[in-house]
Amino acid sequence: TQLLEQSPQFLSIQEGENLTVYCNSSSVFSSLQWYRQEPGEGPVLLVTVVTGGEVKKLKRLTFQFGDARKDSSLHITAAQPGDTGLYLCAGAVGQGAQKLVFGQGTRLTINP
Amino acid sequence: DTGVSQNPRHKITKRGQNVTFRCDPISEHNRLYWYRQTLGQGPEFLTYFQNEAQLEKSRLLSDRFSAERPKGSFSTLEIQRTEQGDSAMYLCASSRGTANPNQPQHFGDGTRLSIL
Repeated sequence: TQLLEQSPQFLSIQEGENLTVYCNSSSVFSSLQWYRQEPGEGPVLLVTVVTGGEVKKLKRLTFQFGDARKDSSLHITAAQPGDTGLYLCAGAVGQGAQKLVFGQGTRLTINP
Repeated sequence: DTGVSQNPRHKITKRGQNVTFRCDPISEHNRLYWYRQTLGQGPEFLTYFQNEAQLEKSRLLSDRFSAERPKGSFSTLEIQRTEQGDSAMYLCASSRGTANPNQPQHFGDGTRLSIL
């Protein structure tokens, strides 16, 4: 059974600070996706990383896929209140990478 | 691209009743997925369709659950004889089915089921 451990589960910081969220597993994933979810809504895709060691940037968000494709991180620079939300990592598994295994999520609160 | 649409958004029902949810995927997507999300957890995979064929079912999907995608477009998820433990957010996602296995999945806003 593939498991994704996401940490921290909760994070509350001040506006302007930097933060990193981690996603770890003992399993190899063909790709890893990061989502953001608001209360009462479905997850919204932020990025997909596919190649081991891959780094992708989305404005102040930097996503990295581990060399062995077992772990990933999300780094936010100069966090803003608008970054508040639930961040989910999800690894693609299965013969055709047809299903996602999700971490428990990181609930991020940015205080003004 | 109108996104994945799910109906109803909320469903409240008494224990023992049957419920059915509908998902309309993004029109050019031939893969469709159902997930369940309970409070404080990430979504858990339930089942997956490639066109009209249901190719995988999770062990979470007991025999009270059935999903269909009769024409390879919209899908329905039915829960019979609902139980308290069925209370959750039921999410639908869709993706392109191509030779590239890493097509991202796009989610709808879910159906929140509450069992009284």
